[in-house]
Amino acid sequence: DIQMTQSPSTLSASVGDRVTITCRASQGVNSWLAWYQQKPGKAPKVLICKASTLESGVPSRFSGSGSGTEFTLTISSLQPDDFATYYCQQYDSSPYTFGQGTKLEVK
Amino acid sequence: DVQLVESGGGLTEPGGSLRLSCAASGLTFSNAWMNWVRQAPGKGLEWVGRIKSRIDGGTTDYAAPVKGRFTISRDDSRKTVWLQMDSLKTEDTGVYYCASHYTTWQWGQGTLVTVSS
Repeated sequence: DIQMTQSPSTLSASVGDRVTITCRASQGVNSWLAWYQQKPGKAPKVLICKASTLESGVPSRFSGSGSGTEFTLTISSLQPDDFATYYCQQYDSSPYTFGQGTKLEVK
Repeated sequence: DVQLVESGGGLTEPGGSLRLSCAASGLTFSNAWMNWVRQAPGKGLEWVGRIKSRIDGGTTDYAAPVKGRFTISRDDSRKTVWLQMDSLKTEDTGVYYCASHYTTWQWGQGTLVTVSS
């Protein structure tokens, strides 16, 4: 199985900050990588598919990059609505696997 | 807009069974690979399994913890996918999400499954 490792597990930041979350795969997943945002009690929201394709309706301050085994999610200027937990997921090969999550909290 | 609506969750005892449904609208269901993902209370996301589209073979794959106990099926004419869960364990407790993948990912709102005596 492909293991997905996110870092950091927790990130403290302020409104306006630029933040980056990293996701590493134990083996190559090409660009079959998605990023999700989840708020308490809610379903995950898809932000990015195929490593860098921004989903419709997602603000342009979110961006994704990478291929193979290393990926990043960047928020260029944090907004109050962005404090949440973020997950990466590889869907290159079964079983699809998620990172353990990064909780983005207010500094 | 794409909508995925899960139903069938509830409380059952260890060793029991439940059948979850996911009704889809707003997408070309027959082309979509349909997945189930779960989340235990306070924990992260865990992929449960997937059924491919008929044109891609219609085969299923499962995560190791559920293999042999859970079964995914689909009916393209009804735009519905099911998750049959047998021999349930307490560790199967959580919110179960239906997620479709064709050119992008779409998720439902989830249904809560509680396995407890």
